[in-house]
Formats: sequence, C-alpha cells, structure tokens
Amino acid sequence: ETVLTQSPGTLSLSPGERATLSCRASQSVSNTYLAWYQQKPGQAPRLLIYGASSRATGIPDRFSGSGSGTDFTLTISRLEPEDFAVYYCQQYGRSSFTFGGGTKVEIK
Amino acid sequence: EVQLVQSGAEVKKPGQSLRISCKGSGYNFPTYWIAWVRQMPGRGLQWMGIIYPADSDTRYSPSFQGQVTISADRSITTAYLQWSSLKASDTGVYYCARSSSSVNFDFWGQGTLVTVSS
Repeated sequence: ETVLTQSPGTLSLSPGERATLSCRASQSVSNTYLAWYQQKPGQAPRLLIYGASSRATGIPDRFSGSGSGTDFTLTISRLEPEDFAVYYCQQYGRSSFTFGGGTKVEIK
Repeated sequence: EVQLVQSGAEVKKPGQSLRISCKGSGYNFPTYWIAWVRQMPGRGLQWMGIIYPADSDTRYSPSFQGQVTISADRSITTAYLQWSSLKASDTGVYYCARSSSSVNFDFWGQGTLVTVSS
C-alpha cells in the first residue's frame, strides 16, 4: 500500500499570503492518479486538483498543483477567507486508493 | 446535475446490523465506480472500498475487507454499505463518492453519521 505523508500538519497564515502544502508518497505515484481535496467543517470533501496539476471544474486559478514521482505540492497563491480548511492528497494504484493525513490551513 | 444523496444519521448499539445507502442521479449510474470513505471523529479520510454497479465488481481496502459489505442495485441507482455486527469503533461519518474516469472522486454524497454506543 502506498502511504501518503502530508506536511505540515497545520499551516498558520494570513489572508493574502501564499500557502504551500506537501504530499510525499512512499513509492512512485503516476501523475494521472494524484488528486487534492478541500474539506471544510461539516462538509464533504471537494475535488480541487486531479492528474496532479489539472483544476477541477469551477476551481479558482489561485489553486495549482505540481510534482511527480513521490513529491507533490498544492499551492494557493493568495489565500482568500474561504480557503481556510483542511486539504488532503489522494492516490490510486494497484486497485487501491489512499489519502494523506491532511494539512489544516488556519488563520494566523 | 450529478447528485449523490445518502441516507440519514443512524444510532445503533454494538452488535447490531446496519445498511446505509447512496442514491445517484444525473448521470449514467452503472458505468461509474462508487467508493465509500470513512471519517472517524476529528480524523482524516480512509478509503474503504469501491463497486462498479454495472457488474457489481467490488474491491476492498485490506483494512476493511471482511468488516463491511459493499453492494449496489443498478435498477434503483443506489449503492450500499453494510455491517453485520457494529462496533463502537465504527462510529464516524461515511461518505460515498463517484470515481471519475481519471480515478479521483469528483462528486460526493453529503455523508451519513453513524454512532455506535451502548
């Protein structure tokens, strides 16, 4: 099973700042099968990025994804108030899915 | 509009059985895999398993194999997650999610809270 490790666990930033979230895999992941989700309290997760770098429908362009192999990054260029949430990476491989442990982006 | 609508919150005692549901609409239900994802209180997301409604091909996470059963009824565009004997550790929110052709989860149900307590 591929383990995804997200860092940091918590990111304390102010609106307008840049957020950089990391997702590291225990073995190589196909770019095609790496996704990022946003989850707000009491809500279901929402797909942000798929294929490591493609934005899902309706996702603002301040969200971007990059990376390959075992190291992937989600960047939020300028934090808006509605972006404070928990973010998860997720991979698919060998008929199995795994999620990272999440990064909480909180208001500083 | 694609929608996944889940059944309501449940409160059960340890040892009881339970089946929760996820009804899909707005797309060709049989031809998209449906996954189940657990979120324990204050914790992250855990993939439990996935089913292809067209032929009921089902895959389970090793962590959940033998603990739950996933099924689907394509005639009523509904997927199910069931337990034969609940434990307190099954308490959590359970989400269904559609797997897109890119093998990510593009649409999610609203979640079903399951509370298991004596």
